[in-house]
Amino acid sequence: GEDVEQSLFLSVREGDSSVINCTYTDSSSTYLYWYKQEPGAGLQLLTYIFSNMDMKQDQRLTVLLNKKDKHLSLRIADTQTGDSAIYFCADHSGYALNFGKGTSLLVTP
Amino acid sequence: DAGVIQSPRHEVTEMGQEVTLRCKPISGHDYLFWYRQTMMRGLELLIYFNNNVPIDDSGMPEDRFSAKMPNASFSTLKIQPSEPRDSAVYFCASSLDRGTSGRAWELFFGEGSRLTVL
Repeated sequence: GEDVEQSLFLSVREGDSSVINCTYTDSSSTYLYWYKQEPGAGLQLLTYIFSNMDMKQDQRLTVLLNKKDKHLSLRIADTQTGDSAIYFCADHSGYALNFGKGTSLLVTP
Repeated sequence: DAGVIQSPRHEVTEMGQEVTLRCKPISGHDYLFWYRQTMMRGLELLIYFNNNVPIDDSGMPEDRFSAKMPNASFSTLKIQPSEPRDSAVYFCASSLDRGTSGRAWELFFGEGSRLTVL
């Protein structure tokens, strides 16, 4: 499938907000996803948003969707050191999930 | 319940050797995926199965790679002969469905098999 684009690195201080951005390709995706990969582990579904929504809030996580620009973002409020991980954006391309390259989030004390 | 189980977790081999990676999906899941993760290319879908049948293998790099799913609880990814550029983390994932019927598509990943080909 075509590329889902993400910035590769983000560094924030503990307690600040993190915003990870993504540009996806498949406008027919019913859902758009954020997966999280902790060191030495596989990916886990973190959150997702239905394509007819603009925003979804789940505790410290806020997902924003701009369908016109095919732009998805993940905001983590009050970022903690335990949030350090790689975050993957994905759209539903055909018969598979199409992942971006992932954004490595580093949270410093 | 056990998640997706992959073996081996780490494999170091020499160029030209055969490598076999194994996966046990979550019981009851109909879909099984093999992904490869590298720094340069990110996460690439190699192949996926539905009800043990290969559906899309267009991501398999070349004929050196093959994948099988002889039954619902086991799959293998084989590389023969292996080359240094095959060094990567190989993930197996399974899912109950593919996000139809109005539900989001959740893939469950194993911990990966880190392959180093010298």
